[in-house]
Formats: sequence, structure tokens, C-alpha cells
Amino acid sequence: QQQVKQSPQSLIVQKGGISIINCAYENTAFDYFPWYQQFPGKGPALLIAIRPDVSEKKEGRFTISFNKSAKQFSLHIMDSQPGDSATYFCAASRLQGTYKYIFGTGTRLKVLA
Amino acid sequence: KAGVTQTPRYLIKTRGQQVTLSCSPISGHRSVSWYQQTPGQGLQFLFEYFSETQRNKGNFPGRFSGRQFSNSRSEMNVSTLELGDSALYLCASSLRTGSPPYEQYFGPGTRLTVT
Repeated sequence: QQQVKQSPQSLIVQKGGISIINCAYENTAFDYFPWYQQFPGKGPALLIAIRPDVSEKKEGRFTISFNKSAKQFSLHIMDSQPGDSATYFCAASRLQGTYKYIFGTGTRLKVLA
Repeated sequence: KAGVTQTPRYLIKTRGQQVTLSCSPISGHRSVSWYQQTPGQGLQFLFEYFSETQRNKGNFPGRFSGRQFSNSRSEMNVSTLELGDSALYLCASSLRTGSPPYEQYFGPGTRLTVT
């Protein structure tokens, strides 16, 4: 019930391509879904987040698509750049009550120049 | 504003020893959460401290403990180290006031190697 399943484990994309990372959750009480980006030697940093009252959120080249009925959400990186090469983590949380983040296992993205 | 700082950055310990990791949150942040990051497991929540009280706890054995001081700095202790405790330990600070969501700001982590 507390798991967040993330796929793929690794992803290689050509420069200018679209990177897609998927996550699925089980606990319907989750109501906040952030994505984090982590570069080697650094801690994760918040990239973009969504709440279940919207189906899509876009910030620059980064878009979250959210499917509440399927309990899935995904990160799309448009026009992927070599500088996007990093590990991406999805997460889920409840905004009320026991507020803690459950993270996916991460996706290592490599964008080829 | 300075970010989250963690000390030490690297640590090598032997099985059976204990270790203490330190985290200084962003100034003004009163919540500190700890995570264990390992390849294939992602980030696993250890515990959260807010105003010197443990507010949430993950599914880790009692060998993992923590505390928070009045200046919001936090320490995490692992006793009787096992090889499987080798990981990157991340600390995240959060304002935790007002309305959620409370964005978490992560430190660079402490890389613990147990031999």
C-alpha cells in the first residue's frame, strides 16, 4: 500500500528526444506527487509536482501527466538535453496527517549529445 | 541563504561499530527528515523531526535513531553497524509551517561504507 513503483530503471535518449518516466502507486490517500532530479554528488532537488485535482502540469520542458483512476503518473522531458542526464525520482505523499514522502526507486537518464 | 549541510561527507566504519551523522537545516527550517539511499531501493524514509520531536518513522530497526536540537540541527545514529547499512544518508529540511505541501530541500548526503 505504501509502495511507489517506478520504471524504467534506466533510460537512454538522443538529444532532442522525449524522455518518459512512469510511476504507479497503490495508496489512494496520496494527494501530492513530486518529481526530484539528482545529479552525482548532490542531493535530490524538487523538479515539478502535481496534485490529483489536475491531469497535467507543465513547467518549461517538463510535464507531469496524472491518471487518477489508473493510479499512475509520469514525467515527460521534451527536447531532452545532455544537461538533463541525472537520476529522477518520483514520490508520493499525503498533505495531511502523517506527512512523509514515499519515493520510487529512481530512473537513471542519459541523454546522448 | 545557505543550503542544508551534512557532515561528514564520507565515512568508513567497521561492522559492529556505531556512527553519528549530522545535519544542519536551512536557517528557519524546523523540520528535518532522514533518508537512506541505496542502488535499486531508491530513497527510504527513516524518520522526521520537528521541533525536537520525532513526528514520523519509517520501517527501520531500532539500531537507527535520531534526535533534533533546539537550533533544529539533527543527528542520526546507527549502532552495531552491518554491511547492509552501507548507503548514502540524506537529510532534508522543510519549513513545515503554513499550508502544505512543505517542500523538502536535500543536503548532499553522507556516504557511509561499512567494511
